[in-house]
Amino acid sequence: GQNIDQPTEMTATEGAIVQINCTYQTSGFNGLFWYQQHAGEAPTFLSYNVLDGLEEKGRFSSFLSRSKGYSYLLLKELQMKDSASYLCAVRDIDSGYALNFGKGTSLLVTP
Amino acid sequence: EAQVTQNPRYLITVTGKKLTVTCSQNMNHEYMSWYRQDPGLGLRQIYYSMNVEVTDKGDVPEGYKVSRKEKRNFPLILESPSPNQTSLYFCASSGQSSSYEQYFGPGTRLTVT
Repeated sequence: GQNIDQPTEMTATEGAIVQINCTYQTSGFNGLFWYQQHAGEAPTFLSYNVLDGLEEKGRFSSFLSRSKGYSYLLLKELQMKDSASYLCAVRDIDSGYALNFGKGTSLLVTP
Repeated sequence: EAQVTQNPRYLITVTGKKLTVTCSQNMNHEYMSWYRQDPGLGLRQIYYSMNVEVTDKGDVPEGYKVSRKEKRNFPLILESPSPNQTSLYFCASSGQSSSYEQYFGPGTRLTVT
């Protein structure tokens, strides 16, 4: 099985930078995903990491360290619409294409 | 437009009355999955299917059934719903590569009284 931990809640100011951390334990790591989910809506894909390092996509970046079982999602130039839940999900070789999700981090962006 | 659709979007029902939530995808994806999402518990996988006629249990399969007779459809069946199955349900699909993300349907909010 897997154990995926993320902070429950975070607050940040519009225009600032925020880093959301995710730690995981898995026997056969095969990729890490970040999703964004607005309240009552479906999760939408943000980023994918399978090798160590930083993946950048516009205002969003995601980092992975497999040896530490650690990832973070970095959001720059925060906007009010970034207020949402951010879900870390890990794919394991033993579970095929299934994704195991953390409980999510609820981010509130304030003016 | 590539999408995953679910029906109904909202459903209020009573204990014991069988119901089916449909899920359909138009992306020719092999892999499909059902999740439930509850406050404080996150997304938990109910059942998944690697391809037609191939289904397997996820983390919380009790009280649910699925079938995969066609590639595009993956209905979720609650034979005898109970109040603890009140939840937000999501269907998802993806291609068969470990780098492929899952695409989620819009969700079905189910209330069992």
